[in-house]
Amino acid sequence: DIVMTQSPLSLPVTPGEPASISCRSNQSLLYKNGYDYLNWYLQKPGQAPQLLISLASRRASGVPHRFSGSGSGTDFTLTISRLEAEDVGIYYCMQALETPLTFGGGTKVEIK
Amino acid sequence: QVQMVQSGAEVKKPGASVQISCKTSGFALNDYFMHWVRQAPGQGLEWMAIINPAGNSTSYAQKLQGRVSMSRDTSMHTVYLELTSLRSDDTAVYYCARDFGEGIDSWGQGTLVTVSS
Repeated sequence: DIVMTQSPLSLPVTPGEPASISCRSNQSLLYKNGYDYLNWYLQKPGQAPQLLISLASRRASGVPHRFSGSGSGTDFTLTISRLEAEDVGIYYCMQALETPLTFGGGTKVEIK
Repeated sequence: QVQMVQSGAEVKKPGASVQISCKTSGFALNDYFMHWVRQAPGQGLEWMAIINPAGNSTSYAQKLQGRVSMSRDTSMHTVYLELTSLRSDDTAVYYCARDFGEGIDSWGQGTLVTVSS
């Protein structure tokens, strides 16, 4: 199974400031089509996760432009350019290259 | 729009079985892989199962092999998860989810299964 490792575990951020979350996999997520099969999700309290980013950098429909994904191979980053109060929750990365799908442990983003 | 509405919360005794349903709308089950993912209280996300668009192939998490079964009824637009020989560590919120070819894009609202004597 592909192991996904996220950091940090917790991230207090002042509104309006940037936030960055790291995700690493223990093997490359690059598929033969040239895309990295790495997704980012936000889970708000009491809700199901919601897709933010697919294929490492493709923003999902309706996701604000302050969210961006970067990276390739085994090293990926989710960046929030200016944190808003509605962005609090737990962020998960997930590899979609193969089953079993595997998730990072999560990063809790909160308001400082 | 895409919707997945899951059955209600369940309370089961250890050793019992549970079946959860996920009624879909806004898309055709024949066009998408579907997954089940669970989340124990205060914990992260754990993938459980997948079924292919044709409905004739499934794959399960190794730790659940022999206890889990995923199926679907296209006439009812519904996907099912059955988990047998329930244990206390099966207590979790269970989510059905759609795979749009780039991983999961949509999730059901979740079904809490509590296993307690």
